[in-house]
Amino acid sequence: ELKVEQNPLFLSMQEGKNYTIYCNYSTTSDRLYWYRQDPGKSLESLFVLLSNGAVKQEGRLMASLDTKARLSTLHITAAVHDLSATYFCAVEETSGSRLTFGEGTQLTVNP
Amino acid sequence: NAGVMQNPRHLVRRRGQEARLRCSPMKGHSHVYWYRQLPEEGLKFMVYLQKENIIDESGMPKERFSAEFPKEGPSILRIQQVVRGDSAAYFCASSPFWGGSYEQYFGPGTRLTVT
Repeated sequence: ELKVEQNPLFLSMQEGKNYTIYCNYSTTSDRLYWYRQDPGKSLESLFVLLSNGAVKQEGRLMASLDTKARLSTLHITAAVHDLSATYFCAVEETSGSRLTFGEGTQLTVNP
Repeated sequence: NAGVMQNPRHLVRRRGQEARLRCSPMKGHSHVYWYRQLPEEGLKFMVYLQKENIIDESGMPKERFSAEFPKEGPSILRIQQVVRGDSAAYFCASSPFWGGSYEQYFGPGTRLTVT
């Protein structure tokens, strides 16, 4: 059974600081996703990572994938308050199959 | 192109009643997935359907829950005789499953409250 673990689960940081969220998964995977969820809202797709060594950046967020280590990271650069949300990674074991989600990282960026 | 649509957005049911949640996939998408999010938790897979066919229901509780995706109309997630533990947000996602693109696009969710 595929397991996906994120850490940390809670992250409080100050504006302007950098930090990394980690996502480990237990079996080989076709692709990995990062989502953002604001309270009471749906999931917003941030990144889709398809291959080993993939790196994608959007604004202050950068995601990478190491399939050999079964590890993905979401790096936050110079955090701003608007980034406060819960971030989920999700793994798709085979193309078109269900997603297995991590527990989520609740990020709070303090002014 | 409208996104994935779910209705109702909020649903309140008393214990023992039935809940019906609807999901209309994005235009051109023939695959639907249902996920449940309990308070303060991540999303858990429930069921994966194509039109008129259940592909994977390994995440569905054995009793009281059923899902369908008819040839015409939305996908329906049905919960019979609801209990307080069914209170959660239920998200539907759809994917096109063609041309190598299988990304799932999520709807806004239905928040079910059982009183």
